[in-house]
Amino acid sequence: AQSVTQLDSQVPVFEEAPVELRCNYSSSVSVYLFWYVQYPNQGLQLLLKYLSGSTLVKGINGFEAEFNKSQTSFHLRKPSVHISDTAEYFCAVSPNSGNTPLVFGKGTRLSVIA
Amino acid sequence: KAGVTQTPRYLIKTRGQQVTLSCSPISGHRSVSWYQQTPGQGLQFLFEYFSETQRNKGNFPGRFSGRQFSNSRSEMNVSTLELGDSALYLCASSLNRGRTGELFFGEGSRLTVL
Repeated sequence: AQSVTQLDSQVPVFEEAPVELRCNYSSSVSVYLFWYVQYPNQGLQLLLKYLSGSTLVKGINGFEAEFNKSQTSFHLRKPSVHISDTAEYFCAVSPNSGNTPLVFGKGTRLSVIA
Repeated sequence: KAGVTQTPRYLIKTRGQQVTLSCSPISGHRSVSWYQQTPGQGLQFLFEYFSETQRNKGNFPGRFSGRQFSNSRSEMNVSTLELGDSALYLCASSLNRGRTGELFFGEGSRLTVL
């Protein structure tokens, strides 16, 4: 079975500062990795995903993430955040074969301060 | 293209009652998954339907059930409601069952049990 640990439940950061949201996963098989964002009173939308290939993945809204297999991590980064990035961010994992459902972390609430 | 539509958006029930939530996936999407979102537990997988058949089920009691119709619309039902069932219930659709693709989420149905 797979599991996801998001190491920070809340991350406050000033506008235009860089941010890193940390995600570690556990799995006995190879995995696909995802980051989703949930804005207030909305559903989740996909930011980016790692399936294979380059370990640096670029997503929407200037976010990127790096897959590190040896550290079983998939941290999300943005070099300069905006007020509009205030939201909850979820890391998710699934095995790369079969049809097992996505397993989500508990989320990290990013608060961007003006 | 219309997104995933969930109804009702908000509802209040009392303990012991039952509730039915509805989800209309994006046109052409055949897979529908349901998740329960609570502040303490994050997103927990309930079940997945594809071609009117339940394909995966999460670790929830039998009070939680669902179904999918021939037009891919899905409903979930919770019987004998408990206080702990208060949550945001999210529906997500995808074209097929493979995990390389994106899940598209609705805005959720927020259930409060009094």
